[in-house]
Amino acid sequence: AAGVIQSPRHLIKEKRETATLKCYPIPRHDTVYWYQQGPGQDPQFLISFYEKMQSDKGSIPDRFSAQQFSDYHSELNMSSLELGDSALYFCASRYQGAPNTEAFFGQGTRLTVV
Amino acid sequence: GDSVTQMEGPVTLSEEAFLTINCTYTATGYPSLFWYVQYPGEGLQLLLKATKADDKGSNKGFEATYRKETTSFHLEKGSVQVSDSAVYFCALTFSGNTPLVFGKGTRLSVIA
Repeated sequence: AAGVIQSPRHLIKEKRETATLKCYPIPRHDTVYWYQQGPGQDPQFLISFYEKMQSDKGSIPDRFSAQQFSDYHSELNMSSLELGDSALYFCASRYQGAPNTEAFFGQGTRLTVV
Repeated sequence: GDSVTQMEGPVTLSEEAFLTINCTYTATGYPSLFWYVQYPGEGLQLLLKATKADDKGSNKGFEATYRKETTSFHLEKGSVQVSDSAVYFCALTFSGNTPLVFGKGTRLSVIA
């Protein structure tokens, strides 16, 4: 079965650079979530989209922005990168059309800021 | 706000030992509850879930029962294997597009 696809899997950027992370949800899933997981930490919710509209906002820095496109894929744009942005970034997708459905996670993008 | 509290790790067990990882939650209303597992270098995978009180989720020998009276969802396995070594996250969410709220995670190491 198709899973959530994230690209790239690994990314190395220098401080103050920008990065774009992409997420392709499972077909028919209408909701996308972005999470940030620091080393040894639990995933922290950043932002989510439902039907291409932002639906919830967590601890996303102002330097970050995200959007969901007409094909439901989502991109997380990160600017003025800082060393502390180094983390694993997960995307998850979910289908709201049925009750109590779980979110499915991608493999994540490991971002290293040097 | 809604929150999930897990027992702190790491937990180190010998193969075939009994496992319990405690999870309690605080939420307004009745959330769905999940256990996710994260193997080294990988993403989070759903292990099991329960959507209402007294539901029992089970998968791969793991079980957890949704206890509304104690707001708990403890994870258990009767006989762990080395391949169960991973980080386990308890999580909750509500219907609709609300995000998952995760616990801090519990690292399990199983030694042969």
